[in-house]
Amino acid sequence: NAGVTQTPKFQVLKTGQSMTLQCAQDMNHNSMYWYRQDPGMGLRLIYYSASEGTTDKGEVPNGYNVSRLNKREFSLRLESAAPSQTSVYFCASKFTPGVDTQYFGPGTRLTVL
Amino acid sequence: QQPVQSPQAVILREGEDAVINCSSSKALYSVHWYRQKHGEAPVFLMILLKGGEQKGHEKISASFNEKKQQSSLYLTASQLSYSGTYFCGTAVQGGSEKLVFGKGTKLTVNP
Repeated sequence: NAGVTQTPKFQVLKTGQSMTLQCAQDMNHNSMYWYRQDPGMGLRLIYYSASEGTTDKGEVPNGYNVSRLNKREFSLRLESAAPSQTSVYFCASKFTPGVDTQYFGPGTRLTVL
Repeated sequence: QQPVQSPQAVILREGEDAVINCSSSKALYSVHWYRQKHGEAPVFLMILLKGGEQKGHEKISASFNEKKQQSSLYLTASQLSYSGTYFCGTAVQGGSEKLVFGKGTKLTVNP
Protein backbone atom coordinates (compact mmCIF):
# COMPACT_ATOMS: atom_id res chain seq x y z
CA ASN A 1 0.00 0.00 0.00
CA ALA A 2 1.28 3.44 -0.94
CA GLY A 3 -1.09 5.12 1.54
CA VAL A 4 -1.81 8.74 0.60
CA THR A 5 0.11 10.10 -2.37
CA GLN A 6 0.32 13.69 -3.60
CA THR A 7 1.59 15.22 -6.80
CA PRO A 8 3.54 17.32 -7.44
CA LYS A 9 5.98 17.53 -4.51
CA PHE A 10 7.08 21.05 -5.41
CA GLN A 11 5.60 23.74 -7.63
CA VAL A 12 6.39 27.35 -8.43
CA LEU A 13 3.66 29.48 -10.01
CA LYS A 14 3.37 33.05 -11.10
CA THR A 15 0.53 35.20 -9.79
CA GLY A 16 -2.62 34.52 -11.79
CA GLN A 17 -1.64 31.06 -13.01
CA SER A 18 -3.81 28.07 -12.27
CA MET A 19 -2.94 24.58 -11.21
CA THR A 20 -4.39 21.41 -9.71
CA LEU A 21 -2.92 19.48 -6.83
CA GLN A 22 -3.61 15.78 -6.99
CA CYS A 23 -4.23 13.41 -4.08
CA ALA A 24 -4.94 9.69 -4.12
CA GLN A 25 -5.32 7.04 -1.42
CA ASP A 26 -5.35 3.28 -1.74
CA MET A 27 -6.70 2.44 1.73
CA ASN A 28 -10.39 2.37 0.76
CA HIS A 29 -10.99 5.41 2.96
CA ASN A 30 -14.26 7.30 2.75
CA SER A 31 -13.26 10.77 3.93
CA MET A 32 -10.60 12.96 2.37
CA TYR A 33 -9.21 16.38 3.32
CA TRP A 34 -7.09 19.25 2.08
CA TYR A 35 -5.09 21.32 4.58
CA ARG A 36 -2.62 24.13 4.23
CA GLN A 37 0.24 24.67 6.63
CA ASP A 38 1.93 28.03 7.09
CA PRO A 39 4.75 28.75 9.53
CA GLY A 40 3.41 29.20 13.05
CA MET A 41 -0.20 28.62 11.98
CA GLY A 42 -0.67 24.89 12.34
CA LEU A 43 -2.85 22.97 9.90
CA ARG A 44 -5.89 24.74 8.52
CA LEU A 45 -8.66 22.89 6.72
CA ILE A 46 -9.45 24.10 3.21
CA TYR A 47 -12.06 21.60 2.01
CA TYR A 48 -13.10 18.09 2.85
CA SER A 49 -15.14 15.27 1.38
CA ALA A 50 -16.97 12.99 3.79
CA SER A 51 -17.80 10.52 1.05
CA GLU A 52 -17.65 10.11 -2.70
CA GLY A 53 -19.84 12.74 -4.32
CA THR A 54 -19.84 15.23 -1.45
CA THR A 55 -17.59 18.17 -0.62
CA ASP A 56 -17.74 20.85 2.07
CA LYS A 57 -15.86 24.00 2.98
CA GLY A 58 -13.39 24.13 5.81
CA GLU A 59 -11.87 27.13 7.59
CA VAL A 60 -10.06 28.73 4.63
CA PRO A 61 -11.83 27.82 1.35
CA ASN A 62 -11.53 31.14 -0.49
CA GLY A 63 -9.51 30.90 -3.70
CA TYR A 64 -9.78 27.12 -3.94
CA ASN A 65 -12.02 24.53 -5.53
CA VAL A 66 -12.08 20.78 -5.07
CA SER A 67 -13.26 17.70 -6.91
CA ARG A 68 -13.84 14.26 -5.44
CA LEU A 69 -13.23 12.41 -8.67
CA ASN A 70 -13.96 8.98 -7.20
CA LYS A 71 -13.45 7.24 -3.89
CA ARG A 72 -9.66 7.25 -4.30
CA GLU A 73 -8.94 10.73 -5.63
CA PHE A 74 -9.51 14.25 -4.31
CA SER A 75 -8.03 17.20 -6.18
CA LEU A 76 -7.50 20.82 -5.15
CA ARG A 77 -7.55 23.56 -7.76
CA LEU A 78 -6.20 27.07 -7.59
CA GLU A 79 -7.91 29.03 -10.37
CA SER A 80 -5.85 32.21 -10.09
CA ALA A 81 -2.91 31.79 -7.74
CA ALA A 82 -1.94 34.58 -5.35
CA PRO A 83 1.22 35.02 -3.25
CA SER A 84 -0.94 34.49 -0.13
CA GLN A 85 -1.45 30.92 -1.30
CA THR A 86 2.23 30.12 -0.90
CA SER A 87 2.14 27.26 1.56
CA VAL A 88 2.62 23.55 2.11
CA TYR A 89 -0.51 21.62 1.19
CA PHE A 90 -1.36 18.31 2.81
CA CYS A 91 -3.97 15.83 1.76
CA ALA A 92 -5.35 13.41 4.35
CA SER A 93 -7.85 10.59 4.49
CA LYS A 94 -9.67 8.46 7.03
CA PHE A 95 -11.77 5.34 6.90
CA THR A 96 -14.88 5.94 8.93
CA PRO A 97 -17.17 8.94 9.37
CA GLY A 98 -16.72 10.90 12.58
CA VAL A 99 -13.88 10.25 14.98
CA ASP A 100 -11.04 8.33 13.40
CA THR A 101 -7.34 8.60 12.60
CA GLN A 102 -6.39 10.80 9.68
CA TYR A 103 -3.51 9.65 7.47
CA PHE A 104 -1.54 12.40 5.79
CA GLY A 105 0.21 12.51 2.46
CA PRO A 106 3.79 13.80 2.08
CA GLY A 107 2.70 17.31 1.09
CA THR A 108 3.11 19.70 -1.83
CA ARG A 109 5.26 22.77 -1.35
CA LEU A 110 3.78 25.58 -3.44
CA THR A 111 5.39 28.95 -4.05
CA VAL A 112 3.48 31.72 -5.82
CA LEU A 113 5.63 34.56 -7.08
CA GLN B 1 -12.11 28.09 17.23
CA GLN B 2 -8.45 27.15 17.26
CA PRO B 3 -7.26 25.32 20.41
CA VAL B 4 -4.36 26.86 22.29
CA GLN B 5 -1.23 24.81 22.82
CA SER B 6 1.39 25.42 25.48
CA PRO B 7 4.27 25.73 25.65
CA GLN B 8 5.09 26.94 22.15
CA ALA B 9 8.51 25.31 22.35
CA VAL B 10 10.47 23.17 24.76
CA ILE B 11 14.06 21.93 24.79
CA LEU B 12 14.98 18.78 26.69
CA ARG B 13 17.97 16.60 27.27
CA GLU B 14 17.57 12.93 26.48
CA GLY B 15 15.84 11.16 29.35
CA GLU B 16 13.94 14.21 30.61
CA ASP B 17 10.15 14.51 30.72
CA ALA B 18 7.80 17.01 29.11
CA VAL B 19 4.11 17.85 29.15
CA ILE B 20 2.33 19.50 26.23
CA ASN B 21 -1.07 21.05 26.81
CA CYS B 22 -4.03 21.74 24.55
CA SER B 23 -6.95 23.95 25.65
CA SER B 24 -10.20 24.86 23.99
CA SER B 25 -12.88 27.41 24.75
CA LYS B 26 -15.52 25.01 23.40
CA ALA B 27 -16.83 21.76 24.82
CA LEU B 28 -14.93 18.97 23.14
CA TYR B 29 -15.89 15.53 21.98
CA SER B 30 -12.41 14.34 21.07
CA VAL B 31 -8.78 15.42 21.03
CA HIS B 32 -6.31 14.08 18.47
CA TRP B 33 -2.53 14.28 18.81
CA TYR B 34 -0.08 14.24 15.91
CA ARG B 35 3.69 14.62 15.64
CA GLN B 36 5.40 16.16 12.63
CA LYS B 37 9.11 16.00 11.92
CA HIS B 38 10.68 18.71 9.82
CA GLY B 39 9.79 18.37 6.15
CA GLU B 40 7.51 15.40 6.74
CA ALA B 41 3.80 14.72 7.08
CA PRO B 42 2.03 14.70 10.46
CA VAL B 43 1.82 11.25 12.01
CA PHE B 44 -0.97 10.06 14.29
CA LEU B 45 -0.18 9.52 17.97
CA MET B 46 -3.42 9.28 19.90
CA ILE B 47 -7.15 10.02 20.05
CA LEU B 48 -8.87 10.78 23.34
CA LEU B 49 -12.65 10.65 23.43
CA LYS B 50 -15.24 12.10 25.71
CA GLY B 51 -16.10 9.39 28.19
CA GLY B 52 -12.54 8.17 28.61
CA GLU B 53 -11.86 6.01 25.58
CA GLN B 54 -8.40 6.28 24.05
CA LYS B 55 -6.87 4.96 20.87
CA GLY B 56 -3.23 5.17 19.99
CA HIS B 57 0.34 4.15 20.64
CA GLU B 58 0.92 2.20 23.84
CA LYS B 59 4.06 4.17 24.66
CA ILE B 60 2.30 7.52 24.47
CA SER B 61 0.44 8.80 27.50
CA ALA B 62 -2.21 11.51 27.46
CA SER B 63 -5.16 12.78 29.43
CA PHE B 64 -8.43 14.54 28.58
CA ASN B 65 -10.21 16.70 31.12
CA GLU B 66 -13.71 17.11 29.68
CA LYS B 67 -14.81 19.66 32.27
CA LYS B 68 -11.90 21.98 31.53
CA GLN B 69 -11.76 21.22 27.78
CA GLN B 70 -8.09 20.42 28.15
CA SER B 71 -5.81 17.63 27.06
CA SER B 72 -2.21 16.96 28.00
CA LEU B 73 0.38 14.82 26.25
CA TYR B 74 3.02 13.27 28.51
CA LEU B 75 6.43 12.47 27.06
CA THR B 76 8.51 10.58 29.57
CA ALA B 77 12.15 9.53 29.39
CA SER B 78 12.45 11.42 26.13
CA GLN B 79 14.49 10.06 23.24
CA LEU B 80 16.12 11.88 20.35
CA SER B 81 13.39 10.50 18.10
CA TYR B 82 10.74 12.44 20.06
CA SER B 83 11.94 15.69 18.49
CA GLY B 84 9.39 17.36 16.25
CA THR B 85 6.33 19.56 16.38
CA TYR B 86 3.29 18.25 18.21
CA PHE B 87 -0.19 19.27 17.16
CA CYS B 88 -3.51 18.75 18.84
CA GLY B 89 -6.69 18.65 16.78
CA THR B 90 -10.11 19.01 18.35
CA ALA B 91 -13.63 17.98 17.39
CA VAL B 92 -16.74 19.32 19.09
CA GLN B 93 -19.14 16.62 17.92
CA GLY B 94 -18.95 12.87 17.68
CA GLY B 95 -20.05 12.86 14.08
CA SER B 96 -17.92 15.80 13.07
CA GLU B 97 -15.72 15.32 10.06
CA LYS B 98 -13.63 18.35 10.87
CA LEU B 99 -10.67 18.79 13.18
CA VAL B 100 -9.39 22.21 14.23
CA PHE B 101 -5.66 22.10 14.90
CA GLY B 102 -3.60 24.14 17.31
CA LYS B 103 -0.49 26.02 16.21
CA GLY B 104 1.82 23.34 17.51
CA THR B 105 4.49 22.81 20.15
CA LYS B 106 8.06 22.38 18.96
CA LEU B 107 9.97 19.81 21.00
CA THR B 108 13.73 19.50 20.71
CA VAL B 109 15.54 16.67 22.45
CA ASN B 110 19.29 17.04 22.70
CA PRO B 111 21.84 14.36 23.59
